[in-house]
Amino acid sequence: EAGVTQFPSHSVIEKGQTVTLRCDPISGHDNLYWYRRVMGKEIKFLLHFVKESKQDESGMPNNRFLAERTGGTYSTLKVQPAELEDSGVYFCASSQVGAEDTIYFGEGSWLTVV
Amino acid sequence: QKEVEQNSGPLSVPEGAIASLNCTYSDRGSQSFFWYRQYSGKSPELIMFIYSNGDKEDGRFTAQLNKASQYVSLLIRDSQPSDSATYLCAVRWNQGGKLIFGQGTELSVKP
Repeated sequence: EAGVTQFPSHSVIEKGQTVTLRCDPISGHDNLYWYRRVMGKEIKFLLHFVKESKQDESGMPNNRFLAERTGGTYSTLKVQPAELEDSGVYFCASSQVGAEDTIYFGEGSWLTVV
Repeated sequence: QKEVEQNSGPLSVPEGAIASLNCTYSDRGSQSFFWYRQYSGKSPELIMFIYSNGDKEDGRFTAQLNKASQYVSLLIRDSQPSDSATYLCAVRWNQGGKLIFGQGTELSVKP
């Protein structure tokens, strides 16, 4: 069974450009989470979807970040316009409803804004 | 003030020894505690979680929780070079809620 997959694995963009990160959770996992780790810092929560609904978006840093999960399957995280401080690793994770203790992470999308 | 603190290391132990990884947290309302392992460039992998005070064992791994001291640890017995990785401690306030991570401790097991 495929794990959590993320695209692209690496992205280098210029300040002011737009980047869209995609996450495909494990099949059947209605919980989908986005986290990110910026250089030298801990992994921080961004938001949590249950199916297509945003359950908690308290970690989204500002309105330059937009997450969607249309149809409750894959999710996208768009950063527009990107700033230098957005550089880091963006992790997607998923879990089954009722089994939120067992969260599976993807390998992350490495974003560098120059 | 950081909510979850870990010694960043690196912690170096010889092969076959016990590695002890420590984590403290600031919120007394935290309910669930997790240990993840992350190899460089890879995804964090769940090792185990613990809810109650005391020890929880899974193979060579033992998690220890002391809520009064707001302290959780992970012991790795018979450490192997393949255990060399960054170990992440995370806490959660409520069922299904977000994980709060520490910065991670880098462990190096020397052959």
